[in-house]
Amino acid sequence: AQKITQTQPGMFVQEKEAVTLDCTYDTSDQSYGLFWYKQPSSGEMIFLIYQGSYDEQNATEGRYSLNFQKARKSANLVISASQLGDSAMYFCAMRGTNYGGSQGNLIFGKGTKLSVKP
Amino acid sequence: DGGITQSPKYLFRKEGQNVTLSCEQNLNHDAMYWYRQDPGQGLRLIYYSQIVNDFQKGDIAEGYSVSREKKESFPLTVTSAQKNPTAFYLCASSIGSRTTQETQYFGPGTRLLVL
Repeated sequence: AQKITQTQPGMFVQEKEAVTLDCTYDTSDQSYGLFWYKQPSSGEMIFLIYQGSYDEQNATEGRYSLNFQKARKSANLVISASQLGDSAMYFCAMRGTNYGGSQGNLIFGKGTKLSVKP
Repeated sequence: DGGITQSPKYLFRKEGQNVTLSCEQNLNHDAMYWYRQDPGQGLRLIYYSQIVNDFQKGDIAEGYSVSREKKESFPLTVTSAQKNPTAFYLCASSIGSRTTQETQYFGPGTRLLVL
């Protein structure tokens, strides 16, 4: 079965510091994609970054980078130079090729609540 | 501006009542999805549609129904058979390429409360 695990229910970080949010996954698929979404208190899910299982380089998008360690099945999100606006829930998600017998469906972790302190 | 709209923002349901949540997108995406989010939880898939006039059950379809008569619209009905409907409902869409890198984009959500 495919599964996403986020072990940190809540994290605190000082403004301007870097923070790492953990995500481990379980899949038997060879080809899969990993995603991170941000959910502010308003509720909308905002796509942040994507990493493919065959990508050799770690993905980066501005202040976001994904620390992809395939052998460990981990896909941690690193946020550099934290800002007050980064305070939100962060969700890790995965899409495999055979999830539930249907392609294209994401499975989500339970999320990590990040609080940035001034 | 392209995007996904959901209405209403808040919805109240009485016992035994069916209610319909609206989801519209102007991104020209083929695929659309409905998710449910409970407090402290991740998202769970209710229904999805890869193409007009076709849709499939997700993990928690019982008590819900959908239609996909137009590419832009994917309304979700919460029926009286759904005994615990209080949750945050998110609609999403994607290109529909069915590749592992396909990104889903989300609307602002509808919060459903039972009176």
